[in-house]
Order: sequence, then C-alpha cells, then structure tokens
Amino acid sequence: EDKVVQSPLSLVVHEGDTVTLNCSYEVTNFRSLLWYKQEKKAPTFLFMLTSSGIEKKSGRLSSILDKKELFSILNITATQTGDSAVYLCASLNAGGTSYGKLTFGQGTILTVHP
Amino acid sequence: GAGVSQSPSNKVTEKGKDVELRCDPISGHTALYWYRQRLGQGLEFLIYFQGNSAPDKSGLPSDRFSAERTGESVSTLTIQRTQQEDSAVYLCASSFAVKQYFGPGTRLTVT
Repeated sequence: EDKVVQSPLSLVVHEGDTVTLNCSYEVTNFRSLLWYKQEKKAPTFLFMLTSSGIEKKSGRLSSILDKKELFSILNITATQTGDSAVYLCASLNAGGTSYGKLTFGQGTILTVHP
Repeated sequence: GAGVSQSPSNKVTEKGKDVELRCDPISGHTALYWYRQRLGQGLEFLIYFQGNSAPDKSGLPSDRFSAERTGESVSTLTIQRTQQEDSAVYLCASSFAVKQYFGPGTRLTVT
C-alpha cells in the first residue's frame, strides 16, 4: 500500500523564523511529489517535483526531492503570519489504472505567531 | 475562468439518510477525483475518473459510497445510510494533465 508520511505534524514559530517541513514516501510506480497549501477547504498547488536534486523556488518557499532516500523537504524562510496553514505533500502515481492518483500525507499544521 | 465548483457547501443530515454531493470540474479536464478529509487529518483518496476508462474505486471505504460521472462533466458522490463517521469535508479535484485543481469542498455533518 502506498504511504506518505509528513513530519512534524504541527509546528509553531514566530514571524521571521525559517521552517523545514518533511515528507517521506513509500510508493510503487512513483512519478512525482507535489506540495499543497491548505488554508480553508481547498488545497492550493505549490510545487511539483519529478527529478532528484533540483530545487524549485517560489518567493520565500523552496522544495527539493531526493529519489534515492525517498523524501522531500519544503522550506519557508522569513515566515509571515499568512504562511499559517496546513501543508500537504502527495505522491503522484505513474502506473496503470491508477495513473494520476495522488496519495496524500497527513499534513503539517504550521502556525506563525506575530 | 471558472474553477472547480462543488455543492452544497455545507450539508447536515440525520444518521441513516442518503446524501448526494455534486462536483462541476473545470471544462476540458478529463480527470476527476474525490477525496475525504476528516477533521485534523490528511486527504483520503476515494475515487478517480479518467475519460471513458473504468473508474478507480479503490479508495471507497464501503459499499455505501458510490460515484458517477457523465462523460467529462459533472460528478456526483452518493453516500447511502449515512453514519456519524462519514462526517468530513469531501473535496473534488479535476485535472487535464498532472496538476489537480481542487474545489472548495462540501462539509458533511451527520447527526
């Protein structure tokens, strides 16, 4: 059974801190790993990582994938209160009838205090 | 353009009743997904439609759950004889390639 595990489950920091969120996966037919930010109901897409070692950046957020060790990290520098959300990672399945299926981790709840 | 829409946004129902949740995907998106998110937990895959292929129903938790999709348009998720443990947010997503776009979800409360 495909499994995606995130850590920590929750994190409380102050504005300006840097945080690192972890995601490990055990997935057959792995294609890519995706990160989402969920503030209210609908997750919004952050990154998709397919190749090992290539960092993706968007403003203060960056992410990288290690396909040998089967994990990804999401970094947020100079955190702001607006970064408070649940961060979800998901593995994207590449094979057969499950092509395109996402398996989500349980999420990391990030709280940024002023 | 319009995103994924879902209705109703909130639904309160009595235990034992049937409910039907609706998802309108983005026009042209061939794939449609249903997920369930219980309070404080991650997203749980339920079912996946891709074009005219047979759906991947591997995530449906019991035979009380079913979903249909007509062509590449609207999908409905039906839960029969609802139980309290069915209370959750039900999210729908659609995609054309890889990236999935999520709807706002339906919050289901079974009393």
